[in-house]
Amino acid sequence: QVQLQQSGAELVKPGTSVKLSCKASGYTFTSNHMNWIKQTTGQGLEWIGIINPGSGGTSYNVKFKGKATLTVDKSSSTAFMQLSSLTPEDSAVYYCASGTTVALFDYWGQGVMVTVSS
Amino acid sequence: DVQMTQSPYNLAASPGESVSINCKASKSISKYLAWYQQKPGKANKLLIYDGSTLQSGIPSRFSGSGSGTDFTLTIRSLEPEDFGLYYCQQHNEYPPTFGAGTKLELK
Repeated sequence: QVQLQQSGAELVKPGTSVKLSCKASGYTFTSNHMNWIKQTTGQGLEWIGIINPGSGGTSYNVKFKGKATLTVDKSSSTAFMQLSSLTPEDSAVYYCASGTTVALFDYWGQGVMVTVSS
Repeated sequence: DVQMTQSPYNLAASPGESVSINCKASKSISKYLAWYQQKPGKANKLLIYDGSTLQSGIPSRFSGSGSGTDFTLTIRSLEPEDFGLYYCQQHNEYPPTFGAGTKLELK
């Protein structure tokens, strides 16, 4: 069955960066798009961006351009999201979610909590 | 961006009852509306897409309807495992956007 296994919770300091991972299994990694989604109590669910694992092509929500960078490692079927210049407003649960159709999220990771605090 | 407005925010029901959750888009999204279920400790689950198409493996007690700007998720004969959070999401245009969620609680 399809599984997206995300890395563990992060506690990071303001101004630093963090790189989250999402290891896919149960399907051909390059056949599905991989999305990243942010969830906070205040803003709800927000789509960050999408990467095509086959080509490496990316598209970002304007709101997250410059904040998030999406990459993949095809050899390990793993997607990554790096968040830079972290502020407390970046504290959230971040999900990876794969889909066969753009803008649709067939499968989700379990989510990873990122806390930005000094 | 397309704004998605869900109602009600909270919903209390008993097993065996039927419930409906509404979702309104700020502009027409044709049929391109999806519904997700979120439960603690479990991966979010896609229930319905294209407004009314049931995702594979989802029980038939879940159904979706609507087009344009107004959509409804109906759950018939609630089962204990159906209690949780439900989100709508438009998949008509970028960026995809979500409703604020509806918490379905046990009465």
